[in-house]
Amino acid sequence: GAVVSQHPSRVICKSGTSVKIECRSLDFQATTMFWYRQFPKQSLMLMATSNEGSKATYEQGVEKDKFLINHASLTLSTLTVTSAHPEDSSFYICSAPTGTYEQYFGPGTRLTVT
Amino acid sequence: AQSVTQPDIHITVSEGASLELRCNYSYGATPYLFWYVQSPGQGLQLLLKYFSGDTLVQGIKGFEAEFKRSQSSFNLRKPSVHWSDAAEYFCAVGDEGGSEKLVFGKGTKLTVNP
Repeated sequence: GAVVSQHPSRVICKSGTSVKIECRSLDFQATTMFWYRQFPKQSLMLMATSNEGSKATYEQGVEKDKFLINHASLTLSTLTVTSAHPEDSSFYICSAPTGTYEQYFGPGTRLTVT
Repeated sequence: AQSVTQPDIHITVSEGASLELRCNYSYGATPYLFWYVQSPGQGLQLLLKYFSGDTLVQGIKGFEAEFKRSQSSFNLRKPSVHWSDAAEYFCAVGDEGGSEKLVFGKGTKLTVNP
């Protein structure tokens, strides 16, 4: 089946630095990818929709200048958390739809900001 | 806007016992419904989905779910639970706006006792 990868799986960064998370569709092309954030013991919160060749669409309340999304190709989307702070620590998950609402999810990236 | 309710935050069952996880949705038309499972620190794996047709759908790992329009429900069931089924389970509905977004419930954590 379709596979979506994320890199890195875990990252620790210092407060004030930026960190980039990659999401790749390994055996299919994805013009759209979704980025979610999951707080401990909570559900997934959709942050933004990444669109290949155009700007990302952010959900209400998500700071687009803080969470930069770039969909560089049909198989790669990146999420950059800029000037990270401890409150940005979370589990970030990407997904790629394959049509008719079905999505394949990446394994997630655990971000810890110290 | 559509929403998904999973009334049970945490369920504990004994290994070998039957399981039913509840999911209720709010949706204007015929919904696209999903159940996903998430093991600790992992991404989401699709268990099963309902788009149309037979209201009883079979999924992986011996799970099934039944779509009941009259009750706006899509409950997940398994006749005999295995210890490896311990995980977080999320019900989701496709966005009725046609964007391929998913709206997730808050999840139900399943604990399996030996």
